[in-house]
Amino acid sequence: AQKVTQAQTEISVVEKEDVTLDCVYETRDTTYYLFWYKQPPSGELVFLIRRNSFDEQNEISGRYSWNFQKSTSSFNFTITASQVVDSAVYFCALREYGNKLVFGAGTILRVKS
Amino acid sequence: EPEVTQTPSHQVTQMGQEVILRCVPISNHLYFYWYRQILGQKVEFLVSFYNNEISEKSEIFDDQFSVERPDGSNFTLKIRSTKLEDSAMYFCASSVSGIPYEQYFGPGTRLTVT
Repeated sequence: AQKVTQAQTEISVVEKEDVTLDCVYETRDTTYYLFWYKQPPSGELVFLIRRNSFDEQNEISGRYSWNFQKSTSSFNFTITASQVVDSAVYFCALREYGNKLVFGAGTILRVKS
Repeated sequence: EPEVTQTPSHQVTQMGQEVILRCVPISNHLYFYWYRQILGQKVEFLVSFYNNEISEKSEIFDDQFSVERPDGSNFTLKIRSTKLEDSAMYFCASSVSGIPYEQYFGPGTRLTVT
């Protein structure tokens, strides 16, 4: 069965701090896809990144970076030099064969100025 | 940049009433989805739709729910007889194709059943 665990319910940081959001997943498939979405206070879900199970390269996009480790079934997300606008709920999601995304419970990130 | 749109943004209805939530997916996308998020909880998959038929549905998507693509642009979710526990944010999403493509979500419709 698919499962996504985001153990951190809420994280508070001060602006300019780095912060890492953890995501651990469970799957029996050898081919699967991992995603991160951001849900700002306005409520929409914003796609951030997709990672394929056969591509373990880490990725950096501006202040965002993602660390995918199959050995530990983790797909962690780091925000460098956090800003107040980063305050949101961040969801990790898993997709195996099929159409549905299975979401984790989300991590609330609060960035204080 | 193309985006998924949803109407209305907020719908209040009485228990037992029928509601239709509307979505306009991104124009060149072929796969459409509905998810829901009960307040403070995780986002849950309801149904996926491709080539004018349901391709996958969850156990939440029972006989009270139906989906339709009535024309070339709209995608609707109907709840036949709403219950209090249907109160949630309903998100429509679309993707250009199936696996592995990412799903782009609309802003959601908040449904409140009283």
